[in-house]
Amino acid sequence: GENVEQHPSTLSVQEGDSAVIKCTYSDSASNYFPWYKQELGKRPQLIIDIRSNVGEKKDQRIAVTLNKTAKHFSLHITETQPEDSAVYFCAAKGYNFNKFYFGSGTKLNVKP
Amino acid sequence: SAVISQKPSRDICQRGTSLTIQCQVDSQVTMMFWYRQQPGQSLTLIATANQGSEATYESGFVIDKFPISRPNLTFSTLTVSNMSPEDSSIYLCSVTGGHVDPNTEAFFGQGTRLTVV
Repeated sequence: GENVEQHPSTLSVQEGDSAVIKCTYSDSASNYFPWYKQELGKRPQLIIDIRSNVGEKKDQRIAVTLNKTAKHFSLHITETQPEDSAVYFCAAKGYNFNKFYFGSGTKLNVKP
Repeated sequence: SAVISQKPSRDICQRGTSLTIQCQVDSQVTMMFWYRQQPGQSLTLIATANQGSEATYESGFVIDKFPISRPNLTFSTLTVSNMSPEDSSIYLCSVTGGHVDPNTEAFFGQGTRLTVV
């Protein structure tokens, strides 16, 4: 099955700085890579996603890049704000089985 | 998007008993999944709930411990059987794909926080 690894496990940045979270995946057949934000006590919510036919996608302060050859993808948050503080999960979805496999999570702390 | 109602939201149960968690979706969806999330940990896929047939379990999870039902395209249940304190966790229902296109994001229920004493 798919194996998704995520780094770092914790990340602390100053408000206004950028944050980068990286993930690798093992199954070259995976074709969809979402990022979820989970605030304490709440359900995961999609913040951005990318499909395997695209190398980069941006939505305001958030961007995701995908390198299919190296099988890694990254989340970039610019101009971080305290409300960005949460746990972020990357995930990979296979083409054949439609199952999502999640990374271990990154706890982001944005210091005001 | 799909709206998912999951219940109960939390429960405290005695060891050796069983708890059934329900997941109701406001529209027909192709795929339904059950995840477990230990405190401060990631989401671990338990099984895929298949409509009209037996669920497909991930490595480390078995039907006797986590029986799953999915009688139609909008509803599923997960039972945690013969519970022990190690089963204390958050259990999340997830769906993906409308009935027409399965290739969409995953939506999550609000989770069931289970404590076994």
